[in-house]
Amino acid sequence: AQKITQTQPGMFVQEKEAVTLDCTYDTSDPSYGLFWYKQPSSGEMIFLIYQGSYDQQNATEGRYSLNFQKARKSANLVISASQLGDSAMYFCAMREAGFYGTASKLTFGTGTRLQVTL
Amino acid sequence: GAVVSQHPSWVICKSGTSVKIECRSLDFQATTMFWYRQFPKQSLMLMATSNEGSKATYEQGVEKDKFLINHASLTLSTLTVTSAHPEDSSFYICSARVGSGSVGNEQFFGPGTRLTVL
Repeated sequence: AQKITQTQPGMFVQEKEAVTLDCTYDTSDPSYGLFWYKQPSSGEMIFLIYQGSYDQQNATEGRYSLNFQKARKSANLVISASQLGDSAMYFCAMREAGFYGTASKLTFGTGTRLQVTL
Repeated sequence: GAVVSQHPSWVICKSGTSVKIECRSLDFQATTMFWYRQFPKQSLMLMATSNEGSKATYEQGVEKDKFLINHASLTLSTLTVTSAHPEDSSFYICSARVGSGSVGNEQFFGPGTRLTVL
C-alpha cells in the first residue's frame, strides 16, 4: 500500500487565489512527521512546512498552512495568495518514528504540479 | 537553513565509465546522508542511507555494487555510479540530516546532479 498518496497530478490556480494540495498517508505508527517540499524546475527541494503527529495545532509558515486531519489521515497543504513563483512540483512526505526511537526514512508522494496563472 | 552542496551539478559520460558525485554539508555535521534518484516527472526514490563511518544501507532493488556510497566524514558523502549505462541517466539528489531520533529532524537537500549517460 502507498504510504503517501497525492491524487492531484496537476493543479491550476489564479494568481492571488488560495489553493489546496491534497495529501493522505497511511501508517500504524503513532509517532510520525509530515513534510511538504517544493521543487521548482531547477530541481532543488525546498522545505516548506512540517507537522508532527502529536502537534495540537495546524502548522503555519507564512503563506503556507497545513490542514492536518489526523482521523482522516490527511495533511493538505494550503497556499494562500498564490504567486507566479509558486509554480512548481509539490511533494508531501512522511517520516515514521519506527522501532527503538530511531526515525525512519522520508517517504515521498508522487507530487502535484502547480501552475499559477495570471 | 543549512546548506548542502553537490558536485557536479550535471555530468555527461560515455557508457561503461564511472561517475562520482559529491555531497557536502557546508555548515553543519550530518549524522546521516541519503541518496535519492528521480526520473523525469516522477517522485524521489530513496536509493540508500549512509551514516558516517559505516556501510550504507541500500533500498530493495538498488545494486550496491553499482552504486557505491562512501560516507567518509560528517560533512562528505560520495555516490559512484560504476560502469554507467544509459538507463542510469537520472537526477540524483543527496540529503543530509542532523540527529536520528526525532521524526521532526529536518532533512536538507542538495541541488541535485543530472547524469546523462550516452
